[in-house]
Amino acid sequence: AQTVTQSQPEMSVQEAETVTLSCTYDTSESDYYLFWYKQPPSRQMILVIRQEAYKQQNATENRFSVNFQKAAKSFSLKISDSQLGDAAMYFCAYPDRGTSYGKLTFGQGTILTVHP
Amino acid sequence: DAGVTQSPTHLIKTRGQQVTLRCSPKSGHDTVSWYQQALGQGPQFIFQYYEEEERQRGNFPDRFSGHQFPNYSSELNVNALLLGDSALYLCASSRSLGDSLYTEAFFGQGTRLTVV
Repeated sequence: AQTVTQSQPEMSVQEAETVTLSCTYDTSESDYYLFWYKQPPSRQMILVIRQEAYKQQNATENRFSVNFQKAAKSFSLKISDSQLGDAAMYFCAYPDRGTSYGKLTFGQGTILTVHP
Repeated sequence: DAGVTQSPTHLIKTRGQQVTLRCSPKSGHDTVSWYQQALGQGPQFIFQYYEEEERQRGNFPDRFSGHQFPNYSSELNVNALLLGDSALYLCASSRSLGDSLYTEAFFGQGTRLTVV
């Protein structure tokens, strides 16, 4: 079974600074996706960024980028120029390949606090 | 587009009672997944519905059951409620394109269930 581990329960960053959230996972698959989700106090899960395992290039979405190390099974999220609106709980997630990737396995989450 | 909508937003029930939570998927989506998220934890997959049938199930007891209607909306039923069932219940919808194709899952804002 796939497992996802986030070892940082809480992180904090100053506004405009950079922060990196860590995630490790375990899978026997060779082709898969990995996601970072953001859950603000409004509770709605929002997809932040997606990485496809067969792609060598790390995914980037504006201020969000990942460092994907396939051999090490590591998938970290870097947030540059942090903003107050980035404060939320962040989850790393792995989708099962079957059933249209319907089943997501989430990590325990990292609470990110942004200080003005 | 209204996105994924869930009702009610909050609910308080007594131990032993039964509860029904509802989810309307995003327009164009035919697959609905349900997750349980305990406070401070990552969501746990309960089950997924497609074409009005349960397609995949997580490690949850039979007290948790569901249904999908012809219009793709879905219900989650929990019988004989326990204190430990208190959690945020999230619904996610997606469009099924076949097992090997990924389509993004969109989440609702969740239903906060408190069992007293």
